[in-house]
Amino acid sequence: GEDVEQSLFLSVREGDSSVINCTYTDSSSTYLYWYKQEPGAGLQLLTYIFSNMDMKQDQRLTVLLNKKDKHLSLRIADTQTGDSAIYFCAVPSGGYNKLIFGAGTRLAVHP
Amino acid sequence: EAGVTQSPTHLIKTRGQQATLRCSPISGHTSVYWYQQALGLGLQFLLWYDEGEERNRGNFPPRFSGRQFPNYSSELNVNALELEDSALYLCASSRLAGLDEQFFGPGTRLTVL
Repeated sequence: GEDVEQSLFLSVREGDSSVINCTYTDSSSTYLYWYKQEPGAGLQLLTYIFSNMDMKQDQRLTVLLNKKDKHLSLRIADTQTGDSAIYFCAVPSGGYNKLIFGAGTRLAVHP
Repeated sequence: EAGVTQSPTHLIKTRGQQATLRCSPISGHTSVYWYQQALGLGLQFLLWYDEGEERNRGNFPPRFSGRQFPNYSSELNVNALELEDSALYLCASSRLAGLDEQFFGPGTRLTVL
């Protein structure tokens, strides 16, 4: 079945860029998603990318996709304390009716 | 536009009891998904409902069941609760059946004592 892996923790200084990485196994996925979860809250859809794209930029967020290596990354420019959260990479499986999530990367932003 | 809503926010039960969790999708969304976020196990797909039918289920025992009502809201039932059922249960909805991004509610935190 689909497997999605992420590093568990990332610490950055306020104002620096954050890069969160994700690898997946299912090559048939045509959409790949990034979700954000703040403490005690549900999941917020941050952005997504089509598999026929290499890059997608949305304000401070840049998603890079290397389909050959099955590697997805999320770059947050000018990281702020409000960006502190857990970030999940999610890949559809079985026709998009279920999402397979990575374990989540906890981003800590310090002054 | 209102987002996905879930109730209750918190639920405390004892082992062996039954729990009922509720979800209202975004207006116009017909598909509802349930996920379990348990400590140490990450987010795991539970169930998918569309047009009142269960379309897919994850690797969970039959104690986990649910239904979708004609207004597309959904209920998740967990019978014979076990301690390891303690988790955050997240509901999501999508506009098209399995073809669209999923939007999540705030979750119901179930604690089994």
